[in-house]
Amino acid sequence: GNSVTQMEGPVTLSEEAFLTINCTYTATGYPSLFWYVQYPGEGLQLLLKATKADDKGSNKGFEATYRKETTSFHLEKGSVQVSDSAVYFCAPYNNAGNMLTFGGGTRLMVKP
Amino acid sequence: DTGVSQDPRHKITKRGQNVTFRCDPISEHNRLYWYRQTLGQGPEFLTYFQNEAQLEKSRLLSDRFSAERPKGSFSTLEIQRTEQGDSAMYLCASSLGGGLGETQYFGPGTRLLVL
Repeated sequence: GNSVTQMEGPVTLSEEAFLTINCTYTATGYPSLFWYVQYPGEGLQLLLKATKADDKGSNKGFEATYRKETTSFHLEKGSVQVSDSAVYFCAPYNNAGNMLTFGGGTRLMVKP
Repeated sequence: DTGVSQDPRHKITKRGQNVTFRCDPISEHNRLYWYRQTLGQGPEFLTYFQNEAQLEKSRLLSDRFSAERPKGSFSTLEIQRTEQGDSAMYLCASSLGGGLGETQYFGPGTRLLVL
């Protein structure tokens, strides 16, 4: 099955700083790749996704590029806001098993 | 589109009791998933349904756990003889399955505490 390694948090940044959250995975074949976000007190929400190599997913200023060669899907944002404070989960989709495999999550704290 | 709903949102029970959770998926979605999330961890897959058929079960799903989706709409997850280790957030998700990059939409979860 799939496995995911995410950088451990918490990541603490000042507002308007640049954000990178690393994610690497192991998988059979070429899974679709997802980033989900969990804001305090809320459920998991899809942030962005990419379905094939070199695809770039983007949403709300966040971006991630499907890198087949390095089996990575790092999340980036050029200028974070306090409202981006949340836990971020990287998750490849196992086409064979029909399931998402989640990383352990990275907590982001953005200070004004 | 009202999203995925789960009931109850919180459940406190004593060890050895049975509990049942309900999930109502997005109405046109044919796939329904259950995950479990413990504090500080990512969600772990438990099981999934396509329509009323349960097609995949994780080894995490011991014989004390049973899930049903009798009419291919809502689903229930029952835990029998609860143990303290069952304390977790139980998440339900649904999707319109079959395509590349299908997106799973998650409900708010049911938080279970076993005393």
